[in-house]
Amino acid sequence: SQTIHQWPATLVQPVGSPLSLECTVEGTSNPNLYWYRQAAGRGLQLLFYSIGIGQISSEVPQNLSASRPQDRQFILSSKKLLLSDSGFYLCAWSRLTWTQYFGPGTRLLVL
Amino acid sequence: SQQGEEDPQALSIQEGENATMNCSYKTSINNLQWYRQNSGRGLVHLILIRSNEREKHSGRLRVTLDTSKKSSSLLITASRAADTASYFCATESNFGNEKLTFGTGTRLTIIP
Repeated sequence: SQTIHQWPATLVQPVGSPLSLECTVEGTSNPNLYWYRQAAGRGLQLLFYSIGIGQISSEVPQNLSASRPQDRQFILSSKKLLLSDSGFYLCAWSRLTWTQYFGPGTRLLVL
Repeated sequence: SQQGEEDPQALSIQEGENATMNCSYKTSINNLQWYRQNSGRGLVHLILIRSNEREKHSGRLRVTLDTSKKSSSLLITASRAADTASYFCATESNFGNEKLTFGTGTRLTIIP
């Protein structure tokens, strides 16, 4: 069966510090991978999606970047965090279907 | 802009009652999905209805789709306290990619 992991679960970072959130998927190969951000009490905003290693599409201009160094690894990064980067970050995968499977999320608080 | 907009934003009902949530969208779709999110957790897929389907059932869930009105509804029958969660509709455009656009969600509270 497939499993998706995200870490860390919670992160508190000062403004201006770097960020690295990691997502890995097990039990499938060549998945589509997605990063979403969810503000408190709001819907999901698609940040990045990837159809393969090194292939990243950015949905919104922002302070964040994504990389896919391995087939089942997706990393969300920032060089300098802003207060507005606070939120709940969700990674998801899909493969050959429209259904997406989500990780447990990372709650980021930038102070 | 959000493709899907759920209505109502929040709903509180007594345990055992039925809960109905609605979703409206703006463009043509291949399919529409409903997801559930428990507080502080990831989303879980509930059900997918294709654009050529009008109604679909899964356990206590009933989903309808009206493409002429660009709307869908999710009915949860005989609600339980464990159904307390946020529910999101998600649509994929018919442009051939697998990106989803999520609505803003309905926060459902089941009162024991």
